[in-house]
Amino acid sequence: EIVMTQSPATLSVSPGERATLSCRASQSVSSNLAWYQQKPGQAPRLLIYGASTRATGIPARFSGSGSGTEFTLTISSLQSEDFAVYYCQQYNNWPLAITFGQGTRLEIK
Amino acid sequence: QVQLVESGGGVVQPGGSLRLSCAASGFTFSSYGMHWVRQAPGKGLEWVAFIRYDGSNKYYADSVKGRFTISRDNSKNTLYLQMNSLRAEDTAVYYCAKDLRHSYGDGIPDYWGQGTLVTVSS
Repeated sequence: EIVMTQSPATLSVSPGERATLSCRASQSVSSNLAWYQQKPGQAPRLLIYGASTRATGIPARFSGSGSGTEFTLTISSLQSEDFAVYYCQQYNNWPLAITFGQGTRLEIK
Repeated sequence: QVQLVESGGGVVQPGGSLRLSCAASGFTFSSYGMHWVRQAPGKGLEWVAFIRYDGSNKYYADSVKGRFTISRDNSKNTLYLQMNSLRAEDTAVYYCAKDLRHSYGDGIPDYWGQGTLVTVSS
């Protein structure tokens, strides 16, 4: 099983600043990597797939990068609605399985 | 717009069974693969199962293989998850989700329902 590890567990950033979240795979997943945002009491929302392609309706301040085993989600100029938990997910060995990281909580500093 | 509404959650004793349903609307249900993903209280996301658009192939996480069965009724735009031999560790919010790609899917859940809570407890 491919293990996804996210860091840090919690990130404190001030509104208007940039946030950088990391995700590492235990083996190469090529560019088969997605990012999700989840707010309390809500379902996850797809932000990024293919490591860097924004999903429909996702603002341009969200960007993804990386390939292989190292990935980054960057949120430029944080808005109040961006404070949430973010998960990465690999789908490289689809359709056998998909696995999620443990999440990074982005909180207001 | 895409809408997914889960139902069927509740409290069940260990070893019991439960069937979840997911009513879909706002897209051509019969053209897309569908997922179940769960989230234990206060924990992260765990993929559970996937079924292709026509029900021809089904895939499961090792943690539920042999106990859970995913199915669909394209005439009713409804996805199901039959859960048998339930354990305490199956306690979670269960989400249904549509795959981003039509037909065989890519393993990318894009639209998610609001979830239904399953509690396994004596």
